[in-house]
Amino acid sequence: DAGVIQSPRHEVTEMGQEVTLRCKPISGHDYLFWYRQTMMRGLELLIYFNNNVPIDDSGMPEDRFSAKMPNASFSTLKIQPSEPRDSAVYFCASSLNVDEQFFGPGTRLTVL
Amino acid sequence: AQSVTQPDIHITVSEGASLELRCNYSYGATPYLFWYVQSPGQGLQLLLKYFSGDTLVQGIKGFEAEFKRSQSSFNLRKPSVHWSDAAEYFCAVGARYGNKLVFGAGTILRVKS
Repeated sequence: DAGVIQSPRHEVTEMGQEVTLRCKPISGHDYLFWYRQTMMRGLELLIYFNNNVPIDDSGMPEDRFSAKMPNASFSTLKIQPSEPRDSAVYFCASSLNVDEQFFGPGTRLTVL
Repeated sequence: AQSVTQPDIHITVSEGASLELRCNYSYGATPYLFWYVQSPGQGLQLLLKYFSGDTLVQGIKGFEAEFKRSQSSFNLRKPSVHWSDAAEYFCAVGARYGNKLVFGAGTILRVKS
């Protein structure tokens, strides 16, 4: 398997623009997670899905953030409108049941 | 609420020396415990995990960790550090069901030759 795939790897955008981050989990995994990593706050769980259904979105910082998982092989994290404080590395991870989470390489987002 | 404390932000060790990275957790039930490693510009990779059974667990790259319930600790160890071990290490705790992990702040390991 190719592992968790994220795109784009780097994104530079201007404040106010919409940003969409994409993730393809490992085939057969039933959990998908979105994390944000910053120097100040470390690694934070934003939202996670089980069998394409959002289970816990308590980590989503505000209404500007939304996540979807239309099928078992694809998920998006959208920020609209983006702000400079959203600059971070966003990771997607997937897992099978309660076993280890496999992380993607991350998307480095810079909002100017 | 679950929490993980990694008291050391940075650690520097000489190549060939032994290593211990500390992790303390707070969790109301039997925890699932993990250590992940992150190299610069990369995602996190699992080093080892503890679910139950033997409290000393072996992982990849020669790492091991010991679960001590009485101390709420899960410290990571390696007998001889290699320069390639320089990275950031994260301890995480999770529940048996739900799969939600809480990560510590991380410890950056520097290896000097």
